[in-house]
Amino acid sequence: EVQLLESGGGLVQPGGSLRLSCAASGFDFRASAMSWVRQAPGKGLEWVSGISVTGGGTYYAPSVEGRFTISRDNVLNTVYLQMDSLGVEDTALYYCAKDGYNLGDFFDFWGQGALVTVSS
Amino acid sequence: SSELTQDPAVSVALGQTVKITCQGDDLRGSYATWYQQRPGQAPVLLLHGYNNRPSGIPDRFSGSYLGNTASLTITGVQAEDEADYYCNSRVTGVYRLMFGGGTRLTVL
Repeated sequence: EVQLLESGGGLVQPGGSLRLSCAASGFDFRASAMSWVRQAPGKGLEWVSGISVTGGGTYYAPSVEGRFTISRDNVLNTVYLQMDSLGVEDTALYYCAKDGYNLGDFFDFWGQGALVTVSS
Repeated sequence: SSELTQDPAVSVALGQTVKITCQGDDLRGSYATWYQQRPGQAPVLLLHGYNNRPSGIPDRFSGSYLGNTASLTITGVQAEDEADYYCNSRVTGVYRLMFGGGTRLTVL
């Protein structure tokens, strides 16, 4: 059974940093591209970032480029999202998602999300 | 700028057929992916590519394309289909993904 377990969410002040982790199991993690998608309270889905199977390719939404960094550890089967210079607009539930086939094709499995609240 | 446009809300009577649309110029060169999100739950993949359903997705969900519009059709709507539906696609020419604003389906 595919499982994606996000952690690391919480309350942070504007300008602060947070690192999300997503522990994966139940599939060949080393052969799967991974992504992060967020959802602000009461709003729609927004793609945040994606990473290739080796980690050599990383991609970001314009709204987070230069502030967020995606990475992965293919030994620990974990993908990370380092979030710096956080603003109130980054408040959202952050989902980790497994890419199907290739990076960006579609997301065939999702975690339950990690809540990030940016507030003073 | 690239974007995907969905109707914010649609309603349908139980057992009837409903079509949810997603419009965007990038759909002329890319497939749309459809997700269902029930309240308080993570999204679930419904359709990808040209009308491909993952295992476990009922065949009452189907997709189609016409020009710059992708459509999700639910035939014989069930009460459990009441949810938000999102389309998703790539932006042409760059590696960037985008979602439509979502359509809230109400089953009457």
